[in-house]
Amino acid sequence: SQTIHQWPATLVQPVGSPLSLECTVEGTSNPNLYWYRQAAGRGLQLLFYSVGIGQISSEVPQNLSASRPQDRQFILSSKKLLLSDSGFYLCAWRLAGGSGEQFFGPGTRLTVL
Amino acid sequence: AQSVSQHNHHVILSEAASLELGCNYSYGGTVNLFWYVQYPGQHLQLLLKYFSGDPLVKGIKGFEAEFIKSKFSFNLRKPSVQWSDTAEYFCAVNAKAAGNKLTFGGGTRVLVKP
Repeated sequence: SQTIHQWPATLVQPVGSPLSLECTVEGTSNPNLYWYRQAAGRGLQLLFYSVGIGQISSEVPQNLSASRPQDRQFILSSKKLLLSDSGFYLCAWRLAGGSGEQFFGPGTRLTVL
Repeated sequence: AQSVSQHNHHVILSEAASLELGCNYSYGGTVNLFWYVQYPGQHLQLLLKYFSGDPLVKGIKGFEAEFIKSKFSFNLRKPSVQWSDTAEYFCAVNAKAAGNKLTFGGGTRVLVKP
């Protein structure tokens, strides 16, 4: 069966520091991968998605970037965090060519102080 | 661009009451529709989905949703809620033309009082 992992689960970082959040998927190959930010009352905002190694699509302009160095690894990064980057970040995967159903990880709670 | 609206941000009801959560989307083409649920402290998980066929879809835990194409709606219902249904519920749409992406509504927080 497939599983998805995110770490760390929680993170507190000072403004201006770098960020690296990691997401890995097990039990499937060539998944589509997604990073979302969840804000209270605003649902899930898609930040990035990837259909393959090295292929990243950005949905919104922002202070963040994403990379996919391996088939089942998706990383969310920032060189310098802003206060507004605080939030709950979710990683998700779906089968390539599937019907749209996505499976979500446990999330990372990021607080920028 | 596709968009999804959930009409209620917060719903409070008592156990055994009926629940209906509204969801409307803006895309006119072929769509796949989903309801996800996030229980306190847990992962976002799929409650039910509609791809094609019978517009009345049954999901886990006694939930169902009805796709009404003419109204661009996919409302979620449960005839009799339990305290354990306290959660946040998200409607999501995948438009075929949008390819790999889901668009989520803003979510509805449901509190069921025992």
